[in-house]
Amino acid sequence: DAKTTQPNSMESNEEEPVHLPCNHSTISGTDYIHWYRQLPSQGPEYVIHGLTSNVNNRMASLAIAEDRKSSTLILHRATLRDAAVYYCILRDSTTSGTYKYIFGTGTRLKVLA
Amino acid sequence: KAGVTQTPRYLIKTRGQQVTLSCSPISGHRSVSWYQQTPGQGLQFLFEYFSETQRNKGNFPGRFSGRQFSNSRSEMNVSTLELGDSALYLCASSFSVANTEAFFGQGTRLTVV
Repeated sequence: DAKTTQPNSMESNEEEPVHLPCNHSTISGTDYIHWYRQLPSQGPEYVIHGLTSNVNNRMASLAIAEDRKSSTLILHRATLRDAAVYYCILRDSTTSGTYKYIFGTGTRLKVLA
Repeated sequence: KAGVTQTPRYLIKTRGQQVTLSCSPISGHRSVSWYQQTPGQGLQFLFEYFSETQRNKGNFPGRFSGRQFSNSRSEMNVSTLELGDSALYLCASSFSVANTEAFFGQGTRLTVV
């Protein structure tokens, strides 16, 4: 079963910030929090990941709660190209670098022009 | 650098036939994992290969199998196709180091008629 819980859908206006929440109350100390997004007719695309501290990259920011039981993906200025399904996934870092991702249903983000 | 390449992009097969899908990972990546995506079940993990060895396997019947070659290219095979095997099959490659991400191909769309 998926170890994360996300809202099924969210809407945002173009050029406004978007905060996509994710709950992972059963996270272990060795789990990384990964975010991917899937645009229509494409494979999932890596967005960002983190362990304990907040992370920033050119695509987004990841805010991780102090107890690590939740995190928020932040798109600073949503564009129409950001319309996608966003997945929050836990990845166990102890298993020799294996990539057995367990995907949940994700959040479908709709961006309004 | 070149991304993950999956071939063919589209495939139509009839029930009872078998099919082989191919995945060429990003150069230097030794881990290849496979996923099945359907509207009803979402993204589900099939299996993962590293250095020609299967490291993880999802909950799929034995009709689903795979292998990895010495150049890290991977193939998955589905025998005795069923209508329910119609799906988008995605391959992901990675360096297999804990603090890194996976890169997905665009997938092979399999339709079983």
